[in-house]
Amino acid sequence: ETGVTQTPRHLVMGMTNKKSLKCEQHLGHNAMYWYKQSAKKPLELMFVYNFKEQTENNSVPSRFSPECPNSSHLFLHLHTLQPEDSALYLCASSQGAQGAYEQYFGPGTRLTVT
Amino acid sequence: AQSVSQHNHHVILSEAASLELGCNYSYGGTVNLFWYVQYPGQHLQLLLKYFSGDPLVKGIKGFEAEFIKSKFSFNLRKPSVQWSDTAEYFCAVMTYGNNRLAFGKGNQVVVIP
Repeated sequence: ETGVTQTPRHLVMGMTNKKSLKCEQHLGHNAMYWYKQSAKKPLELMFVYNFKEQTENNSVPSRFSPECPNSSHLFLHLHTLQPEDSALYLCASSQGAQGAYEQYFGPGTRLTVT
Repeated sequence: AQSVSQHNHHVILSEAASLELGCNYSYGGTVNLFWYVQYPGQHLQLLLKYFSGDPLVKGIKGFEAEFIKSKFSFNLRKPSVQWSDTAEYFCAVMTYGNNRLAFGKGNQVVVIP
C-alpha cells in the first residue's frame, strides 16, 4: 500500500461511453501524475499537476480530459475512446514535481475499450 | 527527447544466480536516475535512486546500481537472487529542469526456485 488509491481497478467501456477514473493520495503530496502503460511499450507520461495546476500535457488526445480539484484528488475523464486506448492507467504522486522527488504509484485501472 | 533503453526484456534465472540489468539513456546533461520494481499483482515501487555523490547506490532487498556517466548507463545488479525477486524492473530517468520521468520498456525477470 503506497498511499495512492485508484478506482475502479477494472473498467470495460464502449467507444461511445463516458467514464471517469479517480485517483486519491493520502501522502500530503503536491504533485500528481497520470501515466499510460501499454503492453510492450514504455510507461508514458500523460499529465502532470503541481499544486492543482496542470504543468505538463504530453500531447494527449482531447478524448482524455484530466481534472485536479485539489492536491489530493486527480481524475481522468474519458469519452469516445478508441480500442487502442485499452491499457493500464497509473496515477502517481510526489512531494513536488521536480526530479528530486520520488513518485509513489497507485495500483492502476485496467481499461478495456470495446 | 529523452529515451531510456533496457535490453533483454525477458530474463530467466535460477535462485542464487547473479542478476544484472542494463539501462542506457540518451540525455547528455545532468540526470536523476531511478529503478522501479513491480512485483506480480502489486504496484510500482521505488527500488533505488541516484541524484548525486557516490555513483554506486544501494537500494532495498540487496539491489545496487552503478551510474557510469561516460557510458550514460545505470545498470542494476544483485549478486544472488531469490524466488521473491520475480518481478518487472523499470529504469527511469528525469533530466534537470524537466518534470517528465522517462521510463524504459522494463525487464521481466523470472527466478526459478
